[in-house]
Amino acid sequence: EVQLLESGGGLVQPGGSLRLSCAASGFSFSDFAMSWVRQAPGKGLEWVSAISAGDANTYYADSVKGRFTISRDNSKSTLYLQMNTLRPDDTAVYYCAREGGYCSSSNCYRGYFDYWGQGTLVTVSS
Amino acid sequence: DIVMTQSPDSLAVSLGERATIKCKSSQSVLYSSNNKNSLAWYQQKPGQPPKLLIYWASTREFGVPDRFSGSGSGTDFTLTISSLQAEDVAVYYCQQYYSTLYTFGQGTKLEIK
Repeated sequence: EVQLLESGGGLVQPGGSLRLSCAASGFSFSDFAMSWVRQAPGKGLEWVSAISAGDANTYYADSVKGRFTISRDNSKSTLYLQMNTLRPDDTAVYYCAREGGYCSSSNCYRGYFDYWGQGTLVTVSS
Repeated sequence: DIVMTQSPDSLAVSLGERATIKCKSSQSVLYSSNNKNSLAWYQQKPGQPPKLLIYWASTREFGVPDRFSGSGSGTDFTLTISSLQAEDVAVYYCQQYYSTLYTFGQGTKLEIK
């Protein structure tokens, strides 16, 4: 059974830092791209960042570029999100999500989220 | 960035009736290399993470009831629930993955009339 378990959320002051973790199990973690998606209280879904299976490529939403860093440790089946210079509008539940897709002989096509964690709440407030 | 716009923002449908949610992208999400539309639909119930319903615009995820269907191509897409059940009350989101800067629609809240 695929499981994604986020941790590391909490209350932090504006300008502070936090590191989120997502422990994966039930699948070959190193074979899948992963993403972080967040949801502010009472609001919709916002994709935050993605990382390819081999760790070679990372992607960020404009709202977090330069402040957040996504990484992964395939030996530990764990995804991370280092969040720096946090702002009140970063307050949200942060979900990690596995990217589904397939590869042909010439290309890989992925990007929908077939498994999600339960989320961890980050609150940025003084 | 590709902007995803859903309509309506909220919808009330009687039990057993059809529910239709629209999603429009600001540019085509059709891959010419595999002839597939990079469009997914999710269902989110209160206090729960989103659940994948449909990917590649019309492929139903394993275990999703067949009353859920997706259609459309290019920039215009539709999620249809053929016969609304009480457990379908939720917020529904579309998402494009044509661009690696993934984007979601704003969500459509579906309620029982």
